[in-house]
Amino acid sequence: EIVLTQSPGTLSLSPGERATLSCRASHSVSGSYLAWYQQKPGQAPRLLIYGASSRASGIPDRFSGSGSGTAFTLTISRLEPEDFAVYYCQHYGRLPPTFGPGTQVDIK
Amino acid sequence: QVQLVQSGAEVKKPGASVKVSCKVSGYTLTELSMHWLRQAPGKGLEWMGGFDPEDGETVYAQEFQGRVTMTEDTSTDTVYMELSSLRSEDTAVFYCATYRSWYPFDYWGQGTLVTVSS
Repeated sequence: EIVLTQSPGTLSLSPGERATLSCRASHSVSGSYLAWYQQKPGQAPRLLIYGASSRASGIPDRFSGSGSGTAFTLTISRLEPEDFAVYYCQHYGRLPPTFGPGTQVDIK
Repeated sequence: QVQLVQSGAEVKKPGASVKVSCKVSGYTLTELSMHWLRQAPGKGLEWMGGFDPEDGETVYAQEFQGRVTMTEDTSTDTVYMELSSLRSEDTAVFYCATYRSWYPFDYWGQGTLVTVSS
């Protein structure tokens, strides 16, 4: 089972700033089967990125994903007010899927 | 467009069981595989299990083995997750989500809060 760690735990930024979130895997993620989700309070997670760098349908292009192997990054180029939320990375592919503990992006 | 609508909040006593439903619309269950995830208050996401279309079997996370049963009713396009021997640590929001092999969870239900309290 692949264990995912995310950093930082909390990121405090202002609207318009760039956010860089990290996800590290305990073992190499084959096929870049790494996804990112956004979750707002009281809502279900929303898929943002799959295959480490492909945006899901309807996701704005200010969200981008990169990385391979054991190190992955989610970048939000310019934070909009609606982007303040918790972000999770997930390894998928062979079951069981695993999630990172999340990064909270707060308004500074 | 897939829509998943889950049953309402539940309050259960320790030791009891809970059965949460998730109705699918926009597609039929013959076209989809469904999985269940748990999220304790203020915590992260935890996969519980679901139907693996590659093996044709329902698989469960080791943590829930023996306590969880996932079933489906194709006549109503509804899936169910029953969790037994509830304890306070099971207090959480439970989500159903669509699953395709080698793809992340792209459609989610709205979540069902289950509170376990004496």
